[in-house]
Amino acid sequence: AQSVTQPDIHITVSEGASLELRCNYSYGATPYLFWYVQSPGQGLQLLLKYFSGDTLVQGIKGFEAEFKRSQSSFNLRKPSVHWSDAAEYFCAVGKAAGNKLTFGGGTRVLVKP
Amino acid sequence: EPEVTQTPSHQVTQMGQEVILRCVPISNHLYFYWYRQILGQKVEFLVSFYNNEISEKSEIFDDQFSVERPDGSNFTLKIRSTKLEDSAMYFCASSSRLAGGDEQFFGPGTRLTVL
Repeated sequence: AQSVTQPDIHITVSEGASLELRCNYSYGATPYLFWYVQSPGQGLQLLLKYFSGDTLVQGIKGFEAEFKRSQSSFNLRKPSVHWSDAAEYFCAVGKAAGNKLTFGGGTRVLVKP
Repeated sequence: EPEVTQTPSHQVTQMGQEVILRCVPISNHLYFYWYRQILGQKVEFLVSFYNNEISEKSEIFDDQFSVERPDGSNFTLKIRSTKLEDSAMYFCASSSRLAGGDEQFFGPGTRLTVL
C-alpha cells in the first residue's frame, strides 16, 4: 500500500529565508507525486507535480521540488519565503491517472516577520 | 479559470439525519473524487467515480455513504444516517485523463458538523 510521511508537523521560518519541507513516500513503482497547499479555510491548491522526466520540477509561487528515487523523497523548496506562504502543505502520492491520492499528515508553515 | 465548486460551505445536522453534499466538477473532467479531513488530521480518500460507477472506495466508505452523478454537472455525496464522527471537512475533486498524467483539482470543501 502506498503511504506518505511528512516528518515535520510545524516549521517556523523568517520572511526572506529559505524553506524546505520534507516528504518521504512508500510505493512499489514509479509514483505520481504532488504538493498541495491549504490556506486557512481554503481548499487544496496544487503547487506542483511529478510524473516522469526531469526530477527537479518547478511549480507556482516560486516553489520547486526534487524527486529522489534512491531516497524515496520529494522535498519541496522555496529560496525566499513571503508572509503569504504561511499555510499548511501536503505531499501526496498516486498510482496512475484516475487513482486515489494518499496524503501525508501535512506541515504547517509559520512565517515570522 | 475553471474550478470545482461545492455547496454548502458549512452544513450543521443532527446525528442520525441524512445529508447531501454537492459538487460541480470541472466540466470536461472524467474522474470524480470525495475526500475528507477530520479536524487536525490528514486528508483521507473516500471514493472515486468514473463512467457513472464507483471505481475505488476506502474502508471508510461504508453502506452509510453513497455517491451519485444525477445529471451532467453535479456530483453528490450522501450520508444516510450521520454520526458524530462524520464531522469533517469534505472535499470534492475532479481530474481529466490528460497526456502526462492527471492532477486532481479540489473544491473549497464543505464543513460538516454533526451534533
